[in-house]
Amino acid sequence: GEDVEQSLFLSVREGDSSVINCTYTDSSSTYLYWYKQEPGAGLQLLTYIFSNMDMKQDQRLTVLLNKKDKHLSLRIADTQTGDSAIYFCASYNNNDMRFGAGTRLTVKP
Amino acid sequence: EPEVTQTPSHQVTQMGQEVILRCVPISNHLYFYWYRQILGQKVEFLVSFYNNEISEKSEIFDDQFSVERPDGSNFTLKIRSTKLEDSAMYFCATLGGGGGYTFGSGTRLTVV
Repeated sequence: GEDVEQSLFLSVREGDSSVINCTYTDSSSTYLYWYKQEPGAGLQLLTYIFSNMDMKQDQRLTVLLNKKDKHLSLRIADTQTGDSAIYFCASYNNNDMRFGAGTRLTVKP
Repeated sequence: EPEVTQTPSHQVTQMGQEVILRCVPISNHLYFYWYRQILGQKVEFLVSFYNNEISEKSEIFDDQFSVERPDGSNFTLKIRSTKLEDSAMYFCATLGGGGGYTFGSGTRLTVV
């Protein structure tokens, strides 16, 4: 089936920028999503981008999409300890969403 | 903001027992989904449901699983005879306009 790949771990210092990368295989994806999961909690939608866009900014979050390379990234500016969580990339097409394994972001003070 | 509500938040059951996980979708959403996440692993698609029938299911969703909307509002996932490997977080999600899924906070199922 279609696949979404992410690196599993990222560690940054408080105040630095975090960049979480994702690749996907479904070239027909219409939306790409980033979800955040805090310990023991559900999936919280952070942001999404239409496949015909290459960038979207929302406060501290910047999403970059390279559709040719099927590469998606999430940049978190001025990362805070409260940003520590698992971040899931997901691709969506035709009422079907597929998730990556998640990147565990650890923010050190 | 509209929410997807799941109950119970945590269920412990003995192997071989039946469990029913409940979800109350957002009222004007038409597509419903169940996902599961085994501890420390990726979020896996189980089944999608539209117009009172299953529209797609994964290979995980075998004969021991079933879904239904018993009263037009709740959306349930039943596991007939639980196995140890069914222990996971089960997430209900609904899809409205704009392509964004809304997830419930999940039910943690522990099979002992």
